[in-house]
Formats: sequence, C-alpha cells, structure tokens
Amino acid sequence: EVQLLESGGALVQPGGSLRLSCVASGLTLSIYAVSWVRQTPGKGLEWVAAIGATGTPTTHADSVRGRFTISRDNSNNTVFLQMNSLRAADTAIYYCAKRAFERQFDTWGQGTLVSVSS
Amino acid sequence: QSALTQPPSASGSPGQSVTIFCTGTSSDVGYYNYVSWYQQHPGKAPKLIIFEVSRRPSGVPDRFSGSKSGNTASLTVSGLQAEDEADYYCSAYAGSDTWVFGGGTKVTVL
Repeated sequence: EVQLLESGGALVQPGGSLRLSCVASGLTLSIYAVSWVRQTPGKGLEWVAAIGATGTPTTHADSVRGRFTISRDNSNNTVFLQMNSLRAADTAIYYCAKRAFERQFDTWGQGTLVSVSS
Repeated sequence: QSALTQPPSASGSPGQSVTIFCTGTSSDVGYYNYVSWYQQHPGKAPKLIIFEVSRRPSGVPDRFSGSKSGNTASLTVSGLQAEDEADYYCSAYAGSDTWVFGGGTKVTVL
C-alpha cells in the first residue's frame, strides 16, 4: 500500500522553528514532485510549498516565502519542510502530497499538527 | 496567490444532484486545464476525485463529474448518497509550480 507519513508537528512559541518530515512507503518518492499543503483548523486548504523530483525547482507560497524552506533527501525517501519565524497564523495541520503529472495531488499523508502559541 | 471562490455550503436529497462552482482567474482556472477536486471527510486527509478538469482517478464513481467554462470550474455529484456528505475543495495550477485552493464547500445530504 502506498503511504505518506508526516511527522515533526508540535506546540511551539511564536518566533520558533520546526522541521516537518514526510516519509514514503510503498513507492519510490524520489521520482515524484511533492508539495506541502496546510489546513487551518476548521478552515480550507492552502498550498505551502513544492519541490521537484530531483530537488529543483522549489517554490513557496507568498505567505511563507523567506520563512519556510522545502527540501528532500532522496536517499531516504523523505521530504522536509523547515519552518522558521513561526507565527500564530501558521497554526494548521500540515499535509505532504505527491504530485502527479497532470498537476494533481494524488496521494496525501494523514497530516501533522503544528500549533504556534505562547 | 488568491484563493479560489467556492460557496460555503450545498445540499441535496438522496438521489438528487448537487453542483459546486469554483471561480478563479484567467491566470489559474481560466488558463490551465489543471483543475482538480478533493473530497474530505471529517478527520481524514483529502482524497482526489477529479483531475485535469474532468478526469476521474481509478475507483472514483462516475457519479462525480467535472467541467470548466472560462474562469469557473464545477463539480457535479449525481445520485447523491449518504457517504457523499463531506467537504469538497477545488484546486488549480497557477503556473511556475504554484497552486491555489478554494475555501471548501460543505455538502450535506438531507
């Protein structure tokens, strides 16, 4: 069974940092582009960042550019999201999602919760 | 990167049809045929149900259909069933490896 598993979510103070990980099982993640998508509790989905299969290109939403960085380690089938200068508005469930050729997200993880609060 | 516009709610009785509209701009929905739709049940991850405007992944019932006209895409659920009660999100590719999502529509089966 193809699965994505996120980890690294936690309660952190404003201004703090976290690194989220997304590990794949049942598929070779290194041949696919991956995105992070977040969902504020009770609200909608927001695309956060994307990375190509080889590590480039990387793109980030305006709301996180300069604070968040997406990267990957293909030798370990893992994609990361480094989050710095966290704000209350970043509180959300963060999903990693595998991107298919036609620009859709066809496989999602179960999500990891990031809470930013003092 | 402005969010796509969806109605917050929609409803229908079992067996009826419900259509959800998703309005974007000429830079996303109107420019690319990379519109997708996701179904999300409470506490679950989103599930892809439509991609490339109107294509269904394997295993998705043909009760789900999609289309697009200009800057507006739509998802129609025909023959509503109880298990179709969920949140539905549209998404569109916006170029340069960026995406936008809609705010979501809660579908209630009456």
